[in-house]
Amino acid sequence: KAGVTQTPRYLIKTRGQQVTLSCSPISGHRSVSWYQQTPGQGLQFLFEYFSETQRNKGNFPGRFSGRQFSNSRSEMNVSTLELGDSALYLCASSLTTGGLGYEQYFGPGTRLTVT
Amino acid sequence: GIQVEQSPPDLILQEGANSTLRCNFSDSVNNLQWFHQNPWGQLINLFYIPSGTKQNGRLSATTVATERYSLLYISSSQTTDSGVYFCAVEAYTNAGKSTFGDGTTLTVKP
Repeated sequence: KAGVTQTPRYLIKTRGQQVTLSCSPISGHRSVSWYQQTPGQGLQFLFEYFSETQRNKGNFPGRFSGRQFSNSRSEMNVSTLELGDSALYLCASSLTTGGLGYEQYFGPGTRLTVT
Repeated sequence: GIQVEQSPPDLILQEGANSTLRCNFSDSVNNLQWFHQNPWGQLINLFYIPSGTKQNGRLSATTVATERYSLLYISSSQTTDSGVYFCAVEAYTNAGKSTFGDGTTLTVKP
C-alpha cells in the first residue's frame, strides 16, 4: 500500500503571498490531519478532517484553512504569508477519527520557506 | 489542554548501549503513539500503544495509562537509531487531536 504523499516537498514564497499544500492519504483512510513543525514551537496540531468535515482545530489564526475532498485528499491553504509561517508542514492519515484505533501515519512533509 | 513531557531532552550513547525514553502526560488518553523522526523530517511509526507492552525487534514500549506515562526502550543501539523520538497522545476529552511532546534527541556514536 502506498504511504501518505505530500506535494510539493519544498516551497519558497514571499511574505504576503498565499500557498496551497496537498496531501493524499493512505488508500482507505478517511481522516487527514495537518501539523506545523518549527524549531521554536515543536509539532503543533492545525486541524483534522474526516469525511470532508473539519472535526477539530488547533490554535492557529484564520489565515490557515483547509479542506478535504470526497476522495479523502486534503489541501491546506495559508493566506498572507508571514516570515513566522516558515516551517515543515506534516500531514497524517488515519482510518478513523479519534478514539480507539486512531493511529496516524505521516507523510514526508512540505518544507515552506517564507522570505 | 493536555500536557506531554518527554525526558530526557537529549541523550548521547555509544553504539551497543541500551536506553529508556519517558513520556508523561497530564490527563486520560484514548491513544498514544511513539514516532522516530529521521534527519529528513519523516515521522516513522514505532508503536501505537494506548496501554500495555509491545515489542518490535530491539525496540519495546510500555504504557501505564492509569499512571499517565509511557516508556520506550531501545536495546543494543545502532547509529541508525539517531534522531528525534516523539510521543504523541490523543486526550480522552479532545478526540481527533494529537498533542506531541518536545521529543528526545538521541545521538548514537560509533
